[in-house]
Amino acid sequence: EAAVTQSPRNKVAVTGGKVTLSCNQTNNHNNMYWYRQDTGHGLRLIHYSYGAGSTEKGDIPDGYKASRPSQENFSLILELATPSQTSVYFCASGDAREANERLFFGHGTKLSVL
Amino acid sequence: QQQVRQSPQSLTVWEGETAILNCSYENSAFDYFPWYQQFPGEGPALLISILSVSDKKEDGRFTIFFNKREKKLSLHIADSQPGDSATYFCAASAKAGGYKVVFGSGTRLLVSP
Repeated sequence: EAAVTQSPRNKVAVTGGKVTLSCNQTNNHNNMYWYRQDTGHGLRLIHYSYGAGSTEKGDIPDGYKASRPSQENFSLILELATPSQTSVYFCASGDAREANERLFFGHGTKLSVL
Repeated sequence: QQQVRQSPQSLTVWEGETAILNCSYENSAFDYFPWYQQFPGEGPALLISILSVSDKKEDGRFTIFFNKREKKLSLHIADSQPGDSATYFCAASAKAGGYKVVFGSGTRLLVSP
């Protein structure tokens, strides 16, 4: 069964600190995505990747970096966390071979920046 | 600006009623419209989808109605059950956009027994 695992599930960070959110998928999908979910905004795309070594900016990349060291792993990095980055973050994977890609999401990481 | 808009923001129906969730979009290039269902504490999961060449898609109690001319679509949930209580996201993608999926803000559905 398709599986996307995120860690940690919950994270409390201090303003100005560095935060790394991790994502692992066992679907062997080329595409991976990071979204944030906020009330009234739905899911907004931060960064995405087409495969190991590639990262692309999504719709709201400012303040975030991404890293895709392998097919399975995709990380989201907040170098200098700010309270405005308090949100729920979702990682997803998708099969690049499908024209109409179905996304498989993880359970999310709830981040609070104090 | 939001490319995909959903209404209402929240909806309450009685068990057995038909819930109607609305969605509209701006980009004429969108040609694929998936709906994702999200339960509390979980990530969204694909529920049903439609291509712009169709005007209707059914899957059990779930039906998408699509109006390309008006750039509107709706998700109808017939015989709503308490287990359908969730947030529903309308989404869209286009070949021209590299098939990246754009999500609406969601409709929170509560089905009361």
